[in-house]
Amino acid sequence: AQSVAQPEDQVNVAEGNPLTVKCTYSVSGNPYLFWYVQYPNRGLQFLLKYITGDNLVKGSYGFEAEFNKSQTSFHLKKPSALVSDSALYFCAVRRVDYGGATNKLIFGTGTLLAVQP
Amino acid sequence: ETGVTQTPRHLVMGMTNKKSLKCEQHLGHNAMYWYKQSAKKPLELMFVYSLEERVENNSVPSRFSPECPNSSHLFLHLHTLQPEDSALYLCASSQVEGGTDTQYFGPGTRLTVL
Repeated sequence: AQSVAQPEDQVNVAEGNPLTVKCTYSVSGNPYLFWYVQYPNRGLQFLLKYITGDNLVKGSYGFEAEFNKSQTSFHLKKPSALVSDSALYFCAVRRVDYGGATNKLIFGTGTLLAVQP
Repeated sequence: ETGVTQTPRHLVMGMTNKKSLKCEQHLGHNAMYWYKQSAKKPLELMFVYSLEERVENNSVPSRFSPECPNSSHLFLHLHTLQPEDSALYLCASSQVEGGTDTQYFGPGTRLTVL
């Protein structure tokens, strides 16, 4: 079955420290992977995606993610956390079990990132 | 702002009411989506509309009825809802690119069913 797992409900990090939000996936074939962020009372905002090519993907607000095919992971990282990064982060993978053209995503349950000042 | 607007932002309705959620995208995209977001659960794709297809999640109850009159507007018609339907309903749009397209989300409608 195709799935996305975010093993941590919450990640706590001090401001200025590096942060990692973990994501693993299970999908047949080559995955298309996405990270989104959700601030309180807002919709999801796109951060970055991996389609093909360089395993290190750079995105918005200084975030990056590393695609690791052997570990089926796509962890989100940032070298130095800001208090304003505190939000809910979602990992997603495109479903590959049908032939339609639209991009149907499977989302993880989300990880709450709390950055302490 | 992402270019996707949703109205209303908050809705409280009784189980016997009929209401509609509206979504509009100003990005020139050709696909639109409805998602349901409940606490502690993954986002659930409810419906997809594009130039080539309409896709429904078979697990979505018939009390939810989508309508897409054109590529910029999407509605979700609600009738005889249940309390468990209370959730954040998110609309998204994208430009279809063979599965690599990025979806852009609206702010959502917070629905409470009494």
